[in-house]
Amino acid sequence: DIQMTQSPSSLSASVGDRVTITCRASDNINRFLNWFQQQPGKAPKLLIFTTSRLQTGVPSRFSGSGSGTDFTLTITDLQPEDFATYYCQQSHSSPYSFGQGTRLE
Amino acid sequence: QMQMQESGPGLVKPSETLSLTCTVSGTSLNSRDYHWGWIRQSPGKALEWIGSLFHTGSTYYNPSLQSRLAMSVDASKNQFSLRLNSVTAADTAIYYCARILITYSYVIDFWGQGTLVAVSS
Repeated sequence: DIQMTQSPSSLSASVGDRVTITCRASDNINRFLNWFQQQPGKAPKLLIFTTSRLQTGVPSRFSGSGSGTDFTLTITDLQPEDFATYYCQQSHSSPYSFGQGTRLE
Repeated sequence: QMQMQESGPGLVKPSETLSLTCTVSGTSLNSRDYHWGWIRQSPGKALEWIGSLFHTGSTYYNPSLQSRLAMSVDASKNQFSLRLNSVTAADTAIYYCARILITYSYVIDFWGQGTLVAVSS
């Protein structure tokens, strides 16, 4: 099974900041990496799929990069609604595992 | 507008079977582009992919749950279901049903709101 490790587990930032979250896979997943945002008490929401493709309706301040085993999610010009928990997920092979989450506060 | 709604008991006794149904509206399950699946989230913890199925009934399960798991689809009602038997406290979680785009990768692009299932006597 492929293990996904996110860092940091929590991150303090302010409105207007630029933040980066890292996700590392235990094996090569090419570019099959997705990012989700979860607000408290809500279902996760797809932000980015296959490393860098923005889901419809997601603001352009979100971006993703990487390949192989190392990936990043970058948020520029943080907005109040961006304070949430972020998860990466590999869609390379079953079981389709998630990272443990990064709480942005 | 597409909606997905989970339904089922919120409390299940240990060793019994957890059964949930997802009702989909605004789109048909009969699509070659999508799987329909389940993901769960234990309280305060990360997400776990449970499995998914195609509208034909073909299933794809997480190996860690496979021996206890069954999924089915009822296309006439636009519903699909999850059954997990021999549950323990470790199965207490929020269970989400979801749509999964499979045309290029395996992308969970739409989620239900989730339903909390507690396993307790």
